[in-house]
Amino acid sequence: GEDVEQSLFLSVREGDSSVINCTYTDSSSTYLYWYKQEPGAGLQLLTYIFSNMDMKQDQRLTVLLNKKDKHLSLRIADTQTGDSAIYFCADPWWAGGYQKVTFGIGTKLQVIP
Amino acid sequence: NAGVMQNPRHLVRRRGQEARLRCSPVKGHSHVYWYRQLPEEGLKFMVYLQKENIIDESGMPKERFSAEFPKEGPSILRIQQVVRGDSAAYFCASSSRDSVYGYTFGSGTRLTVV
Repeated sequence: GEDVEQSLFLSVREGDSSVINCTYTDSSSTYLYWYKQEPGAGLQLLTYIFSNMDMKQDQRLTVLLNKKDKHLSLRIADTQTGDSAIYFCADPWWAGGYQKVTFGIGTKLQVIP
Repeated sequence: NAGVMQNPRHLVRRRGQEARLRCSPVKGHSHVYWYRQLPEEGLKFMVYLQKENIIDESGMPKERFSAEFPKEGPSILRIQQVVRGDSAAYFCASSSRDSVYGYTFGSGTRLTVV
């Protein structure tokens, strides 16, 4: 299987930028995901980036991909209290004709008002 | 309703009882995945099913756990003779075959074994 690593916890002040980092081992990923899990809820796909891209911007979210270092980051600009959640980096990979997704442990983002 | 429906949301079982978790995928999705989230851990793959077939159960514990996705009706994850270590959130996800948008997740079933 593949491996995805991310830090456990990040605390930022409201209005600041948040940067959540992730490293992965799979060199054949076609795309990578970021999921968000709010307390007591399931995972929601936040954004994804194709592996032939270095950057993707979507409103307050910026995803950066460094394929050489297998490093993915999610930047949230102007972080709000509603952004408090657990953010999962996820790497889909092909396992004999079908796709499996390996998730990181999740980074808990705490936004301080 | 466009989402993955899981029920119950919360389930309490005594040690030794059986737990049955249900998942109705997004309409039109024929691929169902079950993941387990243990306290303070990430999501771990358990099993991948298509209609009437188990494709990959490499993440399922060898004993007491089983899953099915019948031709009609929801997918069921069944845990027999539950133990305290089974307490976790169990998430179901579904996808269409070639979805680039990843899985659609349900809200999960939180199993507590007392």
